[in-house]
Amino acid sequence: QQQVKQSPQSLIVQKGGISIINCAYENTAFDYFPWYQQFPGKGPALLIAIRPDVSEKKEGRFTISFNKSAKQFSLHIMDSQPGDSATYFCAASKSSGSARQLTFGSGTQLTVLP
Amino acid sequence: EPEVTQTPSHQVTQMGQEVILRCVPISNHLYFYWYRQILGQKVEFLVSFYNNEISEKSEIFDDQFSVERPDGSNFTLKIRSTKLEDSAMYFCASSDRQAGMKETQYFGPGTRLLVL
Repeated sequence: QQQVKQSPQSLIVQKGGISIINCAYENTAFDYFPWYQQFPGKGPALLIAIRPDVSEKKEGRFTISFNKSAKQFSLHIMDSQPGDSATYFCAASKSSGSARQLTFGSGTQLTVLP
Repeated sequence: EPEVTQTPSHQVTQMGQEVILRCVPISNHLYFYWYRQILGQKVEFLVSFYNNEISEKSEIFDDQFSVERPDGSNFTLKIRSTKLEDSAMYFCASSDRQAGMKETQYFGPGTRLLVL
């Protein structure tokens, strides 16, 4: 019940196209859903995050869509650029004690072709 | 911009040896975490730390692992007797204590540990 399932495992998109990555969760206690971007040899960097009280959040070219009833959320990257080529992880956390542990999805390797 | 730093960037050790991985969290952060990522796999939670004690730990964090905040700036992960399966990238993360901020975890660049 702690799992976060992510798809697809890899994604190839043409420059200017839309990249869509999907995640699903089971634990309804999760109340914070971030997306992290990771370049090779680097640590995950927070990209954008959403809480379940809104259905969509947009920051620049990045949008999270959230469907609470379906327990699904997705990342949309508009006008994808070669510099967006990286591994993207969705994650979820819940309030538990004083600190929060992130449960990560399995990652999506995005390649944006020039 | 403040960032989490980790040392060393790479560590090679023999099976059975002790290793200590070091992290300097962002200075005003009070929540600290260790995660690991086995090559090609997802990032997995190990332990969280707040107010000088472990807040939560995963099943991975067994008696071979320990964490410590030896001074006001460092946060360490010790593996007492390394196994081959401990080979992974280890990430330190930290978050702020302010309401609405503590969910946001900032990750360091990682330490790649190779156990031979």
